[in-house]
Amino acid sequence: KAGVTQTPRYLIKTRGQQVTLSCSPISGHRSVSWYQQTPGQGLQFLFEYFSETQRNKGNFPGRFSGRQFSNSRSEMNVSTLELGDSALYLCASSLDAGLVRYGYTFGSGTRLTVV
Amino acid sequence: AQSVAQPEDQVNVAEGNPLTVKCTYSVSGNPYLFWYVQYPNRGLQFLLKYITGDNLVKGSYGFEAEFNKSQTSFHLKKPSALVSDSALYFCAVRDKLGDDKIIFGKGTRLHILP
Repeated sequence: KAGVTQTPRYLIKTRGQQVTLSCSPISGHRSVSWYQQTPGQGLQFLFEYFSETQRNKGNFPGRFSGRQFSNSRSEMNVSTLELGDSALYLCASSLDAGLVRYGYTFGSGTRLTVV
Repeated sequence: AQSVAQPEDQVNVAEGNPLTVKCTYSVSGNPYLFWYVQYPNRGLQFLLKYITGDNLVKGSYGFEAEFNKSQTSFHLKKPSALVSDSALYFCAVRDKLGDDKIIFGKGTRLHILP
């Protein structure tokens, strides 16, 4: 079966712009989580959605937002981009919320470069 | 709040030797613990998890990890390293009594020397 699909794979944006990233989870998975990966900070948790509801949110400014649709696909949006937002953004899906029984399956990520 | 530490940024091991990648955690309750591996330009791949039960957990590609509650550790091990094991390894923790966030360590880069 198809894995977690993230689009686009690469993105270059200018400071001040906004960007939307997309994640399609594995069929049947209802939980989608987003992480920001940078060399210095490792993986930092952004948010988790389950059945269209945000269950958890990390310590990121309000410029970072997300949503989940009824088909479990998720988008994250970053407004007013800053140079420090350059990172690999990873999406992970799971059958359940909070990994009670199942682990994450990660997508290959979207590499965002802000210039 | 839960946290996880990987004290080594990089580990170098000769091919054929045993390897250990260290992970310690802090949670208020009992933990769920995970190891993931990331190859260049790829997302993370699941290796193994500890939920409950036997402290020694076996996972993919010959890796195993031992849950040690008294030392709050979950070190990743493999008896004989392969060059293809060279990658970035992440430990992650979720507090069963916490807010369900899955927190990852900063990663340890494993270099297997031929």
